[in-house]
Amino acid sequence: EVRLLESGGGLVQPGGSLRLSCAASGFTFRTYAMNWVRQAPGKGLEWVSGMTGSGGNIYHTDSVKGRFTISRDNSKNTLYLEMNNLRPEDTALYYCAKDAEVPAAWRFDSWGPGTQVIVSA
Amino acid sequence: SYEMTQPPSLSVSPGQTASITCSGEKLGDKYVCWYLQKPGQSPVVVIYEDNKRPSGIPERFSGSNSGNTATLTISGTQALDEGDYYCQAWDSGTAHAVFGGGTKLTVL
Repeated sequence: EVRLLESGGGLVQPGGSLRLSCAASGFTFRTYAMNWVRQAPGKGLEWVSGMTGSGGNIYHTDSVKGRFTISRDNSKNTLYLEMNNLRPEDTALYYCAKDAEVPAAWRFDSWGPGTQVIVSA
Repeated sequence: SYEMTQPPSLSVSPGQTASITCSGEKLGDKYVCWYLQKPGQSPVVVIYEDNKRPSGIPERFSGSNSGNTATLTISGTQALDEGDYYCQAWDSGTAHAVFGGGTKLTVL
């Protein structure tokens, strides 16, 4: 059974930093692309970042480029999202999401429960 | 940036057919996936690659995609089908995954 569990969320001031983690189990982590998707309160889903299993391809949505960095440690079956210079509009529930296929199809067949990030003074 | 548009809401009576649309430029050239998100839960795939159902998804869920519009159809809609439905595709031009704005389906 695929399991994804996010952690690292919290309350941070504007301009601050957070590092989210996603611990994965139940599948061969290193072979699958992984993603971060967020959902602001009462709003829809927004894809944030994705990277292939080897880490050779990394993508970020435009609003986080230069501020967020996705990475992974395949030896620890863990995905990360380093978030710097946080803004109030980054406030959201952040989901870790597994790609459905190898090679990546960039659709998401398993999701974690999410970790809450609140950016506020 | 690539955008996909969904109606914000749709109401149907139990047993009726619900059709949720997702529009985007040349969307038919992309594979579309549909997710259902119930309150307080993470999204679940109900249709992928335009018209394929994952195991465990009832046959009443179907999909199509042509031209600029993808459609999720729920035949014989049930109360447990209520929730927010999102379409999603990969835009190779920008190398971004894109979600539609979501459609809240109410069965009453």
